[in-house]
Formats: sequence, C-alpha cells, structure tokens
Amino acid sequence: DQQVKQNSPSLSVQEGRISILNCDYTNSMFDYFLWYKKYPAEGPTFLISISSIKDKNEDGRFTVFLNKSAKHLSLHIVPSQPGDSAVYFCATKDGGSQGNLIFGKGTKLSVKP
Amino acid sequence: ETGVTQTPRHLVMGMTNKKSLKCEQHLGHNAMYWYKQSAKKPLELMFVYSLEERVENNSVPSRFSPECPNSSHLFLHLHTLQPEDSALYLCASSQDWRGERETQYFGPGTRLLVL
Repeated sequence: DQQVKQNSPSLSVQEGRISILNCDYTNSMFDYFLWYKKYPAEGPTFLISISSIKDKNEDGRFTVFLNKSAKHLSLHIVPSQPGDSAVYFCATKDGGSQGNLIFGKGTKLSVKP
Repeated sequence: ETGVTQTPRHLVMGMTNKKSLKCEQHLGHNAMYWYKQSAKKPLELMFVYSLEERVENNSVPSRFSPECPNSSHLFLHLHTLQPEDSALYLCASSQDWRGERETQYFGPGTRLLVL
C-alpha cells in the first residue's frame, strides 16, 4: 500500500492563477517532506521542503503547507507560469531506513498561456 | 561537468544481453542511489551506497548488480533482463545518507527498453 499518495495524476491551470498540488501520507511518524519537479527527459530536481515543526515554508512563488493532523501537505504556486509545467513529486524520508525517500506517483501540472 | 550525469541516456537491449548503466556525481557527495521509475508508479529505491559500501538493497532481483568503485561513480550492471524491467533508471546522490534533512540530487536518467 502506498505511503505517499498524490491522488490527482494531472492538473491544468491558467497562467497567472494559483496551482495547488496535494499530497497525503499514511504514517504520522514521517517528519520531513520534499517536493521535486521533473521535466521530460530530465531527472527530478529539488524544489522545496518542510519539516514537521513548521506548518508553512515559502520560497518565492512556491509555498508548501503541512497539516499534520490530516497527514496532508500541499504545494502552492502563485502566480503559475508556463515554465512551471512539469510533473511534481511529493516525497518523505523513511525514518526506519535513515535517508531513503518515499515518493508519490506525481502530478502532471500544465500551465496554459 | 556539474551535478549528476548518467550514460547512456537511452538503451535498447535484448533479454540475453549484458549492459551497464553509469552514473557520475561531481558534487563531492558520499551517498549514491539507484531508483527505478516504471510507468504510472512511484520512484522505487533499488540500491543505496554510502562511502562506497552498499547499505540498502530493496529486494532487487539479482539480474541487477550494482557497483560503486569510488564515491563519485556508480554502475548498474544488467544481465538477462525481462521486458517488465523496461523503465527509467535514475541515479541520485546526497552529501550524507544518514542526514535527516539531506536533499538528493538526481541525474537525468537512462531510459531502458528490454525487447
């Protein structure tokens, strides 16, 4: 059973609007979360992370929100740009296996001009 | 070159072939990883090396054989693969495998097709 779930395989947003990508996890012991972005023919690149001691982390147009009680996190992109079109992966650290990352299946974001 | 590089970028092989995937990191990191990404599945961790020592092997079939000759290079040797092994194979590195807040940096991947 998946420990990190991204239930929306795709999302389409108009340029300039907000993109909201969602991620749910099953284990309340997970305490560090990352978002990666992947363009076609490239490897995933680190975007932003959040520790469970925070409920929000912001970096420019990207903000990640963490709701520990709901075991849910979301990535907000404001304003969305066509260059943001990519697949976004949510990931968490597997505390039992030290540094190993557990990934969701990804959400493909399309930002239309 | 900077970052994490992988060669080849694309590979087509028959089930009886033997081939190797190569990964090189130019970041001075101590940990390296192999991941497999199949269609519509999450990235799956295959192997982890820390300071050239294998520290994780996630029940990967023996037809996949990793090798880490030094902290900058990682290989994945392939032999007698099956068509279901067709996938994107990604290499990653991080400063320290055990670090709680470590970020992994990925290469561009090798797209493998097994016929």
